Amino acid sequence: AAGVIQSPRHLIKEKRETATLKCYPIPRHDTVYWYQQGPGQDPQFLISFYEKMQSDKGSIPDRFSAQQFSDYHSELNMSSLELGDSALYFCASSPGDLGWSDTQYFGPGTRLTVL
Amino acid sequence: AQKITQTQPGMFVQEKEAVTLDCTYDTSDPSYGLFWYKQPSSGEMIFLIYQGSYDQQNATEGRYSLNFQKARKSANLVISASQLGDSAMYFCAIYNSLDSSARQLTFGSGTQLTVLP
Repeated sequence: AAGVIQSPRHLIKEKRETATLKCYPIPRHDTVYWYQQGPGQDPQFLISFYEKMQSDKGSIPDRFSAQQFSDYHSELNMSSLELGDSALYFCASSPGDLGWSDTQYFGPGTRLTVL
Repeated sequence: AQKITQTQPGMFVQEKEAVTLDCTYDTSDPSYGLFWYKQPSSGEMIFLIYQGSYDQQNATEGRYSLNFQKARKSANLVISASQLGDSAMYFCAIYNSLDSSARQLTFGSGTQLTVLP
């Protein structure tokens, strides 16, 4: 079965640089979530999209922005990178119409290292 | 706000034995979903099992089952016949679609399971 695709899988950037992470959800899933997982921590919700519109925001820094495109893929844009942004970034997708039973399926993650 | 508590930072189990990973939750909403995910050392997050707040029966998926005790607000994961490949971090998470501030997965701190040969 098709899974969530994330690219790139690994990314190394310098401080103050920008980064763009891409996410391709499971076909026919119209909801996308972004999570950030720091070393030794649990994933923290950043932002979500439903039917190409921003749905909810979590602890996403103002330096980050995201959008969902007409083909449902999503991009997370990160500017003025800081050392503390080094983390594993997950994209997850769900069907979006199952209420509290809406299972989120995660991509393999993008490991961002800021030097 | 919703919260997940996993009180076991690490657990050991002998291969082929069963193990229970604890999870308690706190939410003021009557409608919610509880999820368990497995994260191997390679980093991916793998969905294991789901339990809805109104489900009368405990969820089962192969070797995984959920011991759901709603009155005690607990949703413990039981892994039967442990295998070496079960060694991983296990996260319990809660999702609530009715409250916009909770329309996301809230994770616990995780339990690192090690299966011994």
